[in-house]
Amino acid sequence: SQQGEEDPQALSIQEGENATMNCSYKTSINNLQWYRQNSGRGLVHLILIRSNEREKHSGRLRVTLDTSKKSSSLLITASRAADTASYFCATAAYNNAGNMLTFGGGTRLMVKP
Amino acid sequence: EAQVTQNPRYLITVTGKKLTVTCSQNMNHEYMSWYRQDPGLGLRQIYYSMNVEVTDKGDVPEGYKVSRKEKRNFPLILESPSPNQTSLYFCASQAGLAGGEQFFGPGTRLTVL
Repeated sequence: SQQGEEDPQALSIQEGENATMNCSYKTSINNLQWYRQNSGRGLVHLILIRSNEREKHSGRLRVTLDTSKKSSSLLITASRAADTASYFCATAAYNNAGNMLTFGGGTRLMVKP
Repeated sequence: EAQVTQNPRYLITVTGKKLTVTCSQNMNHEYMSWYRQDPGLGLRQIYYSMNVEVTDKGDVPEGYKVSRKEKRNFPLILESPSPNQTSLYFCASQAGLAGGEQFFGPGTRLTVL
């Protein structure tokens, strides 16, 4: 079952603009992660934010987490054509059997040159 | 270079013909996992393993088997493939069991006729 749901499903912007993607989830989490996937390729980890953190930065990436609303956002500033990819949020939550990472459906980002 | 490898990368087979997709990681990670990715359904976990000889079902385990005889290898076995197992498969590994970053293989595109 999908824990995270990304919004929007698709986003098209011009190079230089900022891109914001949102993720909502349903249950308590240990941390939330964002991954990037170029078409048909493996996912690449971008950033991890723990449940006790509210904001985190990495280069042009800014992630926020609101555990009261069970939501997170990924902001890519000054986007480039090379940022064109699908972006997934994934939640990590302890369960009786151990750790599992549950992915959302992804946001397809297109950055036009 | 730290990596997760999968083989084969592409496979076309027929219904009922047993196949194995291999996965190997060179990072000495305890945790390994298999996902399938389908349009509109995102990534769904098939099986995971928390260490050698320890495996457990994910969200969609029906029709699949796995084994973890060595720490570095986590093969995915389809005993009798069916067309609904046509999908893009990813293997991933993670250090420790605390919900951290996962490293993904390049993917195996499987078509079952």
